[in-house]
Amino acid sequence: GDSVTQMEGPVTLSEEAFLTINCTYTATGYPSLFWYVQYPGEGLQLLLKATKADDKGSNKGFEATYRKETTSFHLEKGSVQVSDSAVYFCALNQGGSEKLVFGKGTKLTVNP
Amino acid sequence: KAGVTQTPRYLIKTRGQQVTLSCSPISGHRSVSWYQQTPGQGLQFLFEYFSETQRNKGNFPGRFSGRQFSNSRSEMNVSTLELGDSALYLCASREAGGEGYTFGSGTRLTVV
Repeated sequence: GDSVTQMEGPVTLSEEAFLTINCTYTATGYPSLFWYVQYPGEGLQLLLKATKADDKGSNKGFEATYRKETTSFHLEKGSVQVSDSAVYFCALNQGGSEKLVFGKGTKLTVNP
Repeated sequence: KAGVTQTPRYLIKTRGQQVTLSCSPISGHRSVSWYQQTPGQGLQFLFEYFSETQRNKGNFPGRFSGRQFSNSRSEMNVSTLELGDSALYLCASREAGGEGYTFGSGTRLTVV
């Protein structure tokens, strides 16, 4: 079945550091790919998405590019802030299915 | 525009009891999905409803059930609660043909 693998955390960075969170997927067909963020005590917020190969999703300084050849969707940010501390989830959705398949999540802590 | 509203936010129940959780989707969103989030298993898909019909179901026992009303509001029910049912239950809604899913803040269920 479809699956998503994320780099294990936790990840701890200093403010203004560069962030990469790796995400690879296994899926039949051409899924849509998402990054969600979860702040403490909250639900999930959609951070960015990409629906086809070579698409780049971006939001709030975060970026991820849909790489079909490496089945990857790595999340990057050039300069993290303390307010970016949260858990980040990579997810996929196959066309025709309403089900989101999530990775295990990566906890990011940014220190001042 | 109001977001996805889940009630209650917190619940404490005793083993063997049953529980009903409620989700009000964003106005105009007809698809409602439910997910269970636990530290061990991560985010797992429970089921999805569209226009009062269950279209997809995850790999959960029959104790987990749901329904959707004509106004798109949804409820999920868990009967004969077990300690392992303790989790954050998240509801997400999506408009027909839309790409993104909007999540509620969740209901934190504790079974004692």
